[in-house]
Amino acid sequence: AQKITQTQPGMFVQEKEAVTLDCTYDTSDQSYGLFWYKQPSSGEMIFLIYQGSYDEQNATEGRYSLNFQKARKSTNLVISASQLGDSAMYFCAMREGATGGFKTIFGAGTRLFVKA
Amino acid sequence: DVKVTQSSRYLVKRTGEKVFLECVQDMDHENMFWYRQDPGLGLRLIYFSYDVKMKEKGDIPEGYSVSREKKERFSLILESASTNQTSMYLCASSLLPGTGDYGYTFGSGTRLTVV
Repeated sequence: AQKITQTQPGMFVQEKEAVTLDCTYDTSDQSYGLFWYKQPSSGEMIFLIYQGSYDEQNATEGRYSLNFQKARKSTNLVISASQLGDSAMYFCAMREGATGGFKTIFGAGTRLFVKA
Repeated sequence: DVKVTQSSRYLVKRTGEKVFLECVQDMDHENMFWYRQDPGLGLRLIYFSYDVKMKEKGDIPEGYSVSREKKERFSLILESASTNQTSMYLCASSLLPGTGDYGYTFGSGTRLTVV
């Protein structure tokens, strides 16, 4: 069963506007972690932001923030004031708890295109 | 600067060859992972290791094995390479969960082509 679902294969956004990348997940663990990574065309995976399942506040990191809705099992990434350098693949990931062996699984990714 | 280094950026091998992909990290991380990345499928976990000489199967271990003789080095072995193993291979490392540093550090990847 798909545990991480990113339903947007590709997204376009105008420079300086905000964009939301969707991610839903499925787990039976109570304790888990949610991550977003960026992969530019160079290929390197870059860790962006983390949200713990027990964190009550939405995580923020500079222009990145998460819209974490635990009951809906979704963790959407919001990028504010998009820049041309934000054009990349974005992966949502979940590190399961003990029952999942602490493995991290990834979604299929969303390719973001920022237009000048 | 902390690093995960993968020995080759591009590799071309023949069907049936035994292939070694090497990964070294200098961060004293306990966890190390091998993923393969294919378009439309994201990253899929092949094997991971929590400590020296320990290994756990991921979601797609068939056709692969691993070796972790030293904490800093985690090797992925394709016992008999096949064309369906053509892919981008990513190595990553991390501290144990709960130690405060939650993200993975990835290597730059090895693009393997099996002909």
